[in-house]
Amino acid sequence: DTAVSQTPKYLVTQMGNDKSIKCEQNLGHDTMYWYKQDSKKFLKIMFSYNNKELIINETVPNRFSPKSPDKAHLNLHINSLELGDSAVYFCASSQVSGADYEQYFGPGTRLTVT
Amino acid sequence: GDSVTQMEGPVTLSEEAFLTINCTYTATGYPSLFWYVQYPGEGLQLLLKATKADDKGSNKGFEATYRKETTSFHLEKGSVQVSDSAVYFCALSDSENAGNMLTFGGGTRLMVKP
Repeated sequence: DTAVSQTPKYLVTQMGNDKSIKCEQNLGHDTMYWYKQDSKKFLKIMFSYNNKELIINETVPNRFSPKSPDKAHLNLHINSLELGDSAVYFCASSQVSGADYEQYFGPGTRLTVT
Repeated sequence: GDSVTQMEGPVTLSEEAFLTINCTYTATGYPSLFWYVQYPGEGLQLLLKATKADDKGSNKGFEATYRKETTSFHLEKGSVQVSDSAVYFCALSDSENAGNMLTFGGGTRLMVKP
């Protein structure tokens, strides 16, 4: 079984549309994350979320919003898509206990905005 | 804020050559340090980690030592293989950083030729 899964793997859409990317983890972890990887492979944290708090990277536009229906899922909603949103989006999860933890990453969703 | 700087790639080596990928960091707290690897078309996988000064992380022949005095965490391998071709990311998690989010370096692409 895949530990962290994302759907869809590829997403092509037009500017101005609203889209969602789903993420599920079956590891029983209490914290989930979303990262954006641009065309130069640079990775940037977007959100960190557990059942207690949502931490947002201040550089993330408010068109992006994470939604967690339950502990195992953290979906990413994007409104009014822009060309610059084209990237690979990675979901990750971890069991946070002090600073000694590992984040497990999903396979990524390649978003292309035309 | 926290930051991670690693050498730009691509790094091209012949099989069995010695590998070093430099990584330095700045952090406000007392970070844990990680190396992640991304194989083509895949998500990130944890390669190794170190949580305190002078710790050495190791896995699959790769090693990195947490050097607080030089704020470095250089990745080394004595003899690379073609299968090591991938993008390597140095990252930190700062104890002062809420949400346990990872700060990544820009990634270094390694290409190993037979």
